[in-house]
Amino acid sequence: EAQVTQNPRYLITVTGKKLTVTCSQNMNHEYMSWYRQDPGLGLRQIYYSMNVEVTDKGDVPEGYKVSRKEKRNFPLILESPSPNQTSLYFCASSLSIAGVGEAFFGQGTRLTVV
Amino acid sequence: QKEVEQNSGPLSVPEGAIASLNCTYSDRGSQSFFWYRQYSGKSPELIMSIYSNGDKEDGRFTAQLNKASQYVSLLIRDSQPSDSATYLCAVLSNSGYALNFGKGTSLLVTP
Repeated sequence: EAQVTQNPRYLITVTGKKLTVTCSQNMNHEYMSWYRQDPGLGLRQIYYSMNVEVTDKGDVPEGYKVSRKEKRNFPLILESPSPNQTSLYFCASSLSIAGVGEAFFGQGTRLTVV
Repeated sequence: QKEVEQNSGPLSVPEGAIASLNCTYSDRGSQSFFWYRQYSGKSPELIMSIYSNGDKEDGRFTAQLNKASQYVSLLIRDSQPSDSATYLCAVLSNSGYALNFGKGTSLLVTP
């Protein structure tokens, strides 16, 4: 089954404790991205990757890191989480740069930082 | 940041009626537009894309684009309770690498 898989689905952590949210897609998609969704603010792009080893900042990159060492994986790293990073996070992938808008989303990761 | 504006709703329509969802965008150079549906507690899923001025129909859904007015809309004919969800308008940036979302319109279809 074609899918984008995020782990974990739910995470409660403490301020300052490094964490990684994994994202993997099995569709051989070139383009992957991370979004956060907050009430009243909608979906905002954090980082995106056009292909292996090619990443760029989205609208809200502060406090996040990403890497794209393999085509299928695009982990989101929070080096020192803070309460304002409490949010619902989505990973998404698209077949190619030409089809960025036709995105497949993962199930979401609800992160709470206390 | 490029603006994508939607009325947050909720938009309430009776079953069988036409639901009309609207979206405006600020970047006049945008060329690609998308509608996503998001059920409560679920992830967004693509339902329509539109790239040229005019209408594009897919089943009960019709997307309309007017680039001169910087306006995109989604019409849902014969609305069903299962259409109750938040509808997100998305616009591809000029660079083609970033997707900018509106905050979404909540639709409630009442039996």
